[in-house]
Amino acid sequence: QKEVEQNSGPLSVPEGAIASLNCTYSDRGSQSFFWYRQYSGKSPELIMFIYSNGDKEDGRFTAQLNKASQYVSLLIRDSQPSDSATYLCAVNMDSSYKLIFGSGTRLLVRP
Amino acid sequence: GEEVAQTPKHLVRGEGQKAKLYCAPIKGHSYVFWYQQVLKNEFKFLISFQNENVFDETGMPKERFSAKCLPNSPCSLEIQATKLEDSAVYFCASSQLLSGRDNEQFFGPGTRLTVL
Repeated sequence: QKEVEQNSGPLSVPEGAIASLNCTYSDRGSQSFFWYRQYSGKSPELIMFIYSNGDKEDGRFTAQLNKASQYVSLLIRDSQPSDSATYLCAVNMDSSYKLIFGSGTRLLVRP
Repeated sequence: GEEVAQTPKHLVRGEGQKAKLYCAPIKGHSYVFWYQQVLKNEFKFLISFQNENVFDETGMPKERFSAKCLPNSPCSLEIQATKLEDSAVYFCASSQLLSGRDNEQFFGPGTRLTVL
C-alpha cells in the first residue's frame, strides 16, 4: 500500500462546477497536509494546507481533513479552465518534515 | 530572494559523468529540501538541511549522491557517475520554520537532468 494515495484521473468537470479531489494516507500519526498544484513542466505551487480536522476555506478552495478516516480532500468551486493541472496531495508524516507525495490527480476543466 | 532559485534549468550528461545542481532558498528560510520527480508525478524525498547541517538524509542514495549547504553559498546536490535512471527533475524547496505547524515548503522551478 502506498503511503499517500490519489486517483490519477483525469477528473473532467465542466466550467463552473465543483471539482472534488481526494487523498488517503497510511500513517495515522500524520500531522500536516498540503495540496499543491502542478502545471505541466512547472514546479509544484502550494495552494492549501490543513492541520486540524474539519474544513479550511480560502477563496474558491476548501480543504477538508478527517484524521479518523485518514482522508483529506480539496474542493474547487466555480472551476475554471485555468484550474486544469495535476493536484498533488502531500503529507508530513514524521518529525523530519519531509513531504510524502501522492502520485497526483489530473484535473481537466472543460470550457 | 522572494523565490527559491535553482540552476541550471536543464542539464545533459553522458552516463558516468558528474552532475551538480544548485539551489538558493528564500531569504530567511532555514530549511532546504531536495526532491526528485521521475515519471511525471512520482516525487521522492532525497535530503534536507537546517542551515548548513544535514537534517534528514534518509532518502539519499548512499553511493553516488551528495549534498551541501554552506554559509553564504547556494546549496548543491551532486551526482557522481550519473546513470540513466538519474534522469529526472530535481526540485529544491525551502521552509521558514519547522516548529509544529509552520512547515509549508515552497518549491523552486527545478533542474531537469537528462542522462544519455
